[in-house]
Amino acid sequence: NAGVTQTPKFQVLKTGQSMTLQCAQDMNHEYMSWYRQDPGMGLRLIHYSVGAGITDQGEVPNGYNVSRSTTEDFPLRLLSAAPSQTSVYFCASRDIDRGNHEQYFGPGTRLTVT
Amino acid sequence: AQTVTQSQPEMSVQEAETVTLSCTYDTSESNYYLFWYKQPPSRQMILVIRQEAYKQQNATENRFSVNFQKAAKSFSLKISDSQLGDTAMYFCAFMKKAGSSNTGKLIFGQGTTLQVKP
Repeated sequence: NAGVTQTPKFQVLKTGQSMTLQCAQDMNHEYMSWYRQDPGMGLRLIHYSVGAGITDQGEVPNGYNVSRSTTEDFPLRLLSAAPSQTSVYFCASRDIDRGNHEQYFGPGTRLTVT
Repeated sequence: AQTVTQSQPEMSVQEAETVTLSCTYDTSESNYYLFWYKQPPSRQMILVIRQEAYKQQNATENRFSVNFQKAAKSFSLKISDSQLGDTAMYFCAFMKKAGSSNTGKLIFGQGTTLQVKP
């Protein structure tokens, strides 16, 4: 199993550009989520999904869009990048039915918006 | 709303010694989970240890153990026999247990950077 994969690992955008951060998992997990990590603030939830076709907002959803057409993939779209979106982005997944409640994280994407 | 606070931005410890990282949280929930995650320079988030709130016994994983004080809403991590590979940022996290609608949303603290010195 590859676990949770994210692409790209690094990205530089200009203000106003759009892009999609890719996330995929091969563990058949129903739950997937996106977090952003900023210095001194820990990780904050952007959006999450409990299954294909079902998404919901987290703590900091503004400026981001998600969709979940398959169990495996959960892309995060930046519609019009802003410098405030400079951050490290993590995708995570977990099996809702398992009792251990462990979330598996991808390796992260470092995004810089100039 | 739940909050998690780590009041120690940075700590250091000598190799082979013991260090304790502090975490407090605020919630009105009675059923929840607490976690400690490790983030080494590679950036990968690694689960170190978990605690279920209804369990009185403190969780232990090899050199890592927690001191869970439910009434005080405190969840500290003790690392014994510190090793150079323990150098990392450590995050405390909270997750509400909400029955069939447990959406698994993690609430993270700000993180504590731990430096293990040789």
